[in-house]
Amino acid sequence: AQKITQTQPGMFVQEKEAVTLDCTYDTSDPSYGLFWYKQPSSGEMIFLIYQGSYDQQNATEGRYSLNFQKARKSANLVISASQLGDSAMYFCAMREGENTGKLIFGQGTTLQVKP
Amino acid sequence: DGGITQSPKYLFRKEGQNVTLSCEQNLNHDAMYWYRQDPGQGLRLIYYSQIVNDFQKGDIAEGYSVSREKKESFPLTVTSAQKNPTAFYLCASARPGLAGSNEQFFGPGTRLTVL
Repeated sequence: AQKITQTQPGMFVQEKEAVTLDCTYDTSDPSYGLFWYKQPSSGEMIFLIYQGSYDQQNATEGRYSLNFQKARKSANLVISASQLGDSAMYFCAMREGENTGKLIFGQGTTLQVKP
Repeated sequence: DGGITQSPKYLFRKEGQNVTLSCEQNLNHDAMYWYRQDPGQGLRLIYYSQIVNDFQKGDIAEGYSVSREKKESFPLTVTSAQKNPTAFYLCASARPGLAGSNEQFFGPGTRLTVL
């Protein structure tokens, strides 16, 4: 069965430093997609970055990058130059198959950025 | 502005009552999804719909029902059969069937409390 694991319930980072949020996944499907979402205290889910299973290069979006290690089945999110506004809950998710668009979510990691 | 709206933002219900949560999108997306989020947890899929007049059960469909009579609308009814309905409910939409970074767009959520 497909599964997403985020082993860090909470993380702290100093403002302006980089932080890595871990995500491992399990699937037997050769084609899949990995997503990261940010959830501030207001509750909305904000899409950050996407990595496809066949993508040769790691995805980057501004201060966000995804460290994709396919053999290890990991898709860690790296946030560079942390800002106070980065304090939120972060979810890793995997798209199940190609047609339904269904997402399986991890348990999330709460990130707190210290001034 | 294109987006997803959910109403109401907060909802209180007495035990034994059915209640319907609204979800509307003007993104012209075919697929829509309902998720449940419990405190400190990830999102779990309740129901999803890939096309008008068709929907499928997700991982935790028991005690819930949906309809998809219009492309723009995907209301969720929490029935009295749902044993523990107090949670945060998120609606999302996406264009399905495309390989690639086809992310889901989320609404602001409805926080349901059973009194």
